[in-house]
Amino acid sequence: DAKTTQPTSMDCAEGRAANLPCNHSTISGNEYVYWYRQIHSQGPQYIIHGLKNNETNEMASLIITEDRKSSTLILPHATLRDTAVYYCMVNNYGQNFVFGPGTRLSVLP
Amino acid sequence: DTGVSQDPRHKITKRGQNVTFRCDPISEHNRLYWYRQTLGQGPEFLTYFQNEAQLEKSRLLSDRFSAERPKGSFSTLEIQRTEQGDSAMYLCASSQSGGDEKLFFGSGTQLSVL
Repeated sequence: DAKTTQPTSMDCAEGRAANLPCNHSTISGNEYVYWYRQIHSQGPQYIIHGLKNNETNEMASLIITEDRKSSTLILPHATLRDTAVYYCMVNNYGQNFVFGPGTRLSVLP
Repeated sequence: DTGVSQDPRHKITKRGQNVTFRCDPISEHNRLYWYRQTLGQGPEFLTYFQNEAQLEKSRLLSDRFSAERPKGSFSTLEIQRTEQGDSAMYLCASSQSGGDEKLFFGSGTQLSVL
């Protein structure tokens, strides 16, 4: 079973920031938080991951709470091409990646 | 970097037939994963290899499914005596093992069993 919970769906206006939450209250100390997204008919795409500190790359920012029980993926200026299903997972070395149903993000014009 | 490639992209077969899918991972990656995905669901783990060794298989994987990675490079997934319930997208991913490994997925093989 997935170790994370996410809202089923969210809407975001084009050009605005999209903030996608994820709860992982049972995360262990050496598990990373990962985010992937899947655009229709394609394989999932890696976005970002982190352990304790906030992370930023060219695609997104990841904010992890101090107790590590939740995180937020931020797409700073959402475009129509960001419409996708976003998956939050926790994983540690030697484990396989368990996907939940994810959050379906719709970016609206 | 050519990414992870899967072949074929689409497969239509009749119930009871055998099918085989191929996955070519990113060349320097030592791990290879197979997932299955049905409409509206997240990918479901099937099995994974580290080099040529199959390290884990999902208990949901029936004995009609078999996967190989004979030389630690490409992998094949075979489904024998296909059933309509096998209709799904079959996804392959590869990674380099490590503390914070990242999976890179192919575009998948869409299987339709009639």
